[in-house]
Amino acid sequence: AQSVTQPDIHITVSEGASLELRCNYSYGATPYLFWYVQSPGQGLQLLLKYFSGDTLVQGIKGFEAEFKRSQSSFNLRKPSVHWSDAAEYFCAVGARDDKIIFGKGTRLHILP
Amino acid sequence: DGGITQSPKYLFRKEGQNVTLSCEQNLNHDAMYWYRQDPGQGLRLIYYSQIVNDFQKGDIAEGYSVSREKKESFPLTVTSAQKNPTAFYLCASSHLFGTSTDTQYFGPGTRLTVL
Repeated sequence: AQSVTQPDIHITVSEGASLELRCNYSYGATPYLFWYVQSPGQGLQLLLKYFSGDTLVQGIKGFEAEFKRSQSSFNLRKPSVHWSDAAEYFCAVGARDDKIIFGKGTRLHILP
Repeated sequence: DGGITQSPKYLFRKEGQNVTLSCEQNLNHDAMYWYRQDPGQGLRLIYYSQIVNDFQKGDIAEGYSVSREKKESFPLTVTSAQKNPTAFYLCASSHLFGTSTDTQYFGPGTRLTVL
């Protein structure tokens, strides 16, 4: 069965610094991978997704993620964070015609 | 604007009472989902529906029930059998079931508190 692990429960970075959030997945075939963001008390918004093709995926709000099959990873990056990026980030993995499995989330804190 | 609405935003329930959470979408999506979110637990799937008049249990369906009488509506009932119902509930929809096509779009959520 597929699974997804986000090793960091909390991450704190200074405003303007670069960001990388880690995501590792377990799945036998090529997975479908997603990153969502959730502001406090709100629903989830899709940042980006990977289905196939180019392993570097561009998303909204200046985020990108890179699929590395050899490392079973799909890490999320942003070159310079803004205070408005403070939120909880969820990585998710799914298989064709199956449910999506969400990680437990990483809460991002931004220092002024 | 197209989207998913959930109501109410906050809901309080006394122990032993059933309560129904509303979810409506005007995206013309076939598939709809209910998730439960607890701090540090991520999202756990309660029920999903691939098409009208059909639904399946997810990973934590005990103590919950759903109906799908209309394409745009997928209400969730939290019954008195649910031992620990206090949580944040999220509804989502997608064009088709599965992950090979459109992604899931989420509503703003309902926070349920049992008093």
